[in-house]
Amino acid sequence: AQSVAQPEDQVNVAEGNPLTVKCTYSVSGNPYLFWYVQYPNRGLQFLLKYITGDNLVKGSYGFEAEFNKSQTSFHLKKPSALVSDSALYFCAVRDLNSGNTPLVFGKGTRLSVIA
Amino acid sequence: DSGVTQTPKHLITATGQRVTLRCSPRSGDLSVYWYQQSLDQGLQFLIQYYNGEERAKGNILERFSAQQFPDLHSELNLSSLELGDSALYFCASSVGRGTGVGEQYFGPGTRLTVT
Repeated sequence: AQSVAQPEDQVNVAEGNPLTVKCTYSVSGNPYLFWYVQYPNRGLQFLLKYITGDNLVKGSYGFEAEFNKSQTSFHLKKPSALVSDSALYFCAVRDLNSGNTPLVFGKGTRLSVIA
Repeated sequence: DSGVTQTPKHLITATGQRVTLRCSPRSGDLSVYWYQQSLDQGLQFLIQYYNGEERAKGNILERFSAQQFPDLHSELNLSSLELGDSALYFCASSVGRGTGVGEQYFGPGTRLTVT
């Protein structure tokens, strides 16, 4: 079975500082990994994904994520946080070898960027 | 704007009632997914349809059902509603069957309140 964990319910960071939102996953095969963001009263928006290749994936709004196979992690990062980055962030995983199993989402991490 | 539309935006109804939520996928997308988002359960996958046929089933209650029509729009029917069914219901769409690398695009959601 596949699963994803976001160990932090809330992350607070000062504007201009780097931010990291953590995600670890568990799959039996190779993972497809995704990050989504949800702004208040909106649906989820796709940020970036890892399929294969370079472990550092660049996405929308200056976000990037680093795939680490040995640590089974896919942490979301941004070098300099903006107040407008404050939102709920979801990590998701699909097991390449799981057949028809759909995307599994973490419980979300609320990011608060303080001016 | 993701291109996925959902109606209605808000719905308030009483316990025991039945409601229908509607979703139109992005142009060209064949898969539709339904999710329930509540404060205590996070984002829960309910069901997926691909080109009119049920493709995957998640934590969907027997009181809930869905279908995808020939024009690819989908409806989620919730019956014998309980207070605990109050949540945000999201629809998402993707081009493929949902087993590949494609990301899902989410609609703005329907907020259901059961009183």
